[in-house]
Amino acid sequence: GEDVEQSLFLSVREGDSSVINCTYTDSSSTYLYWYKQEPGAGLQLLTYIFSNMDMKQDQRLTVLLNKKDKHLSLRIADTQTGDSAIYFCAESRGNTPLVFGKGTRLSVIA
Amino acid sequence: DGGITQSPKYLFRKEGQNVTLSCEQNLNHDAMYWYRQDPGQGLRLIYYSQIVNDFQKGDIAEGYSVSREKKESFPLTVTSAQKNPTAFYLCASSIRGSVGGNTIYFGEGSWLTVV
Repeated sequence: GEDVEQSLFLSVREGDSSVINCTYTDSSSTYLYWYKQEPGAGLQLLTYIFSNMDMKQDQRLTVLLNKKDKHLSLRIADTQTGDSAIYFCAESRGNTPLVFGKGTRLSVIA
Repeated sequence: DGGITQSPKYLFRKEGQNVTLSCEQNLNHDAMYWYRQDPGQGLRLIYYSQIVNDFQKGDIAEGYSVSREKKESFPLTVTSAQKNPTAFYLCASSIRGSVGGNTIYFGEGSWLTVV
């Protein structure tokens, strides 16, 4: 099947903003998700956005959706060392299981 | 507290043995899933079940088996036919047709190592 694409690594300095990008495949996807995984743990749901929205903000997190380009981004403001983790983008294709990207490993340098 | 419980956290298997990973949820979710995670490979879907007594193969079902006799339980058996079973296994669940689409929630994972 077609893949959800993410860059594999991102490194930022503490206090800077992080932007993690994702390209999804199905223009009819209804929901798009961001999950966070800390070492040795399961995935934690961070946020999701409905396809009729362009932007969603939740405290330090901002999700931007460009449906024309099938591009999703997650911006983390004032990045902290505790934000170091793997971030997964996922898309919902109807009632089938979510399709995940391979994850972006965010490293925060103090 | 509501959640998804996976056990054991760490499991060692000898070659040729079958092992079963447990997954229990008390969220009253209809659907349950098993994913496998390898370094740099992201998540790959093994099996999923949308209702009791029914399940479907995912992308990498060969060498695995599941059952769904109860809504809250979805155990995964890694059989001797699975040639490279060493990985991190994640169980998840979701409510069908929820407001948040098909949002899924994960357990804490189980590490399986073949020795």
